[in-house]
Amino acid sequence: GAGVSQTPSNKVTEKGKYVELRCDPISGHTALYWYRQSLGQGPEFLIYFQGTGAADDSGLPNDRFFAVRPEGSVSTLKIQRTERGDSAVYLCASSLTGFSGANVLTFGAGSRLTVL
Amino acid sequence: AQSVAQPEDQVNVAEGNPLTVKCTYSVSGNPYLFWYVQYPNRGLQFLLKYITGDNLVKGSYGFEAEFNKSQTSFHLKKPSALVSDSALYFCAVRENSNYQLIWGAGTKLIIKP
Repeated sequence: GAGVSQTPSNKVTEKGKYVELRCDPISGHTALYWYRQSLGQGPEFLIYFQGTGAADDSGLPNDRFFAVRPEGSVSTLKIQRTERGDSAVYLCASSLTGFSGANVLTFGAGSRLTVL
Repeated sequence: AQSVAQPEDQVNVAEGNPLTVKCTYSVSGNPYLFWYVQYPNRGLQFLLKYITGDNLVKGSYGFEAEFNKSQTSFHLKKPSALVSDSALYFCAVRENSNYQLIWGAGTKLIIKP
């Protein structure tokens, strides 16, 4: 596609529920990143995919968070047993490759998650 | 450890005046520096980057930034501000070819007519 697409744009859920957030990157981009952004803060790194594999998942806060990218394109961020502290905007970004420091990330509009 | 500092939470500028949004960084290797802008309810958009070469980098929407190695700074500038420039601005740095971007906390830019 022309840009990075994220769905849903808004998700309201109850504490303890399961949530999936989807990211459709730019076609041909091999690198995909998930970030979390709280109000007034910069993006917080969660996980980085190079192709189908998670090259770095060190930013995932705990084992309730998991992400997949089975065919090297669309990615899904999964959050189990949601907590109020998970409320944030979840940003997805992609780049042509992850191996160049000069790479520019293209971001989606984000998925705003609110846990009541 | 790598870090980025944006010392101002908010910058207020009158329309037509020059603007500067400050950014300083700390890396042990060669820095790759970026500015992104975020408009309300929208994703981050790339403005400009410094990789190597000329210290003055020109980017989108008339913005430019100056890389200063001795002061480890990469301040964002624009000669004449527009009301439509009002947004949240983020500075980010990579060390060498590391894929990890380290982000500043952001600076809210308010341009008053």
